[in-house]
Amino acid sequence: DAEITQSPRHKITETGRQVTLACHQTWNHNNMFWYRQDLGHGLRLIHYSYGVQDTNKGEVSDGYSVSRSNTEDLPLTLESAASSQTSVYFCASSVGLAGATSGQYFGPGTRLTVL
Amino acid sequence: GQSLEQPSEVTAVEGAIVQINCTYQTSGFYGLSWYQQHDGGAPTFLSYNALDGLEETGRFSSFLSRSDSYGYLLLQELQMKDSASYFCAVRDRGTGFQKLVFGTGTRLLVSP
Repeated sequence: DAEITQSPRHKITETGRQVTLACHQTWNHNNMFWYRQDLGHGLRLIHYSYGVQDTNKGEVSDGYSVSRSNTEDLPLTLESAASSQTSVYFCASSVGLAGATSGQYFGPGTRLTVL
Repeated sequence: GQSLEQPSEVTAVEGAIVQINCTYQTSGFYGLSWYQQHDGGAPTFLSYNALDGLEETGRFSSFLSRSDSYGYLLLQELQMKDSASYFCAVRDRGTGFQKLVFGTGTRLLVSP
């Protein structure tokens, strides 16, 4: 069965370290998204990609970067982790633009703690 | 910019009907989606409305009024497993790329 996976599921790191969160989908979706979820803020878009070599900034992109070298993977990198980046991170993919009519498929999430 | 408003919490009893409202302001509206998220879980897609009116999917229905910038999710015959957070999300033209902007979520508590 097709799926979307994230790794690691839990990560504790120190301030200033570089961290990469992996996202892998086997749906063969062109569109992939990274969100962070914090209490009181819902889901906020960090970066998104509508295809290989395409990446775009979302509303909270500062301090994060992504690259898309193939259809299946969209790794999220925190260049220099800060305590404000402690959050739950969700990766998602979709068929249609923005995943509106058929929805976005979300991964299980990565809980990141920056000490 | 975009903004969405939905109640932070709603409570109901098993078997009842509950309505979760969502009002929005966007620069380029295409449609309204609803997602469900159980504690510790991932959001899952429930419905999408691009046109005015009511869309029904089993016990769940979703309504949209574009002229009022308003929609709601209606849950009927509530079950304990419906206790979760529900997010509305607008499909927005933004800066030329279509993306979803999520509300802050409504926590639904279903009691016996």
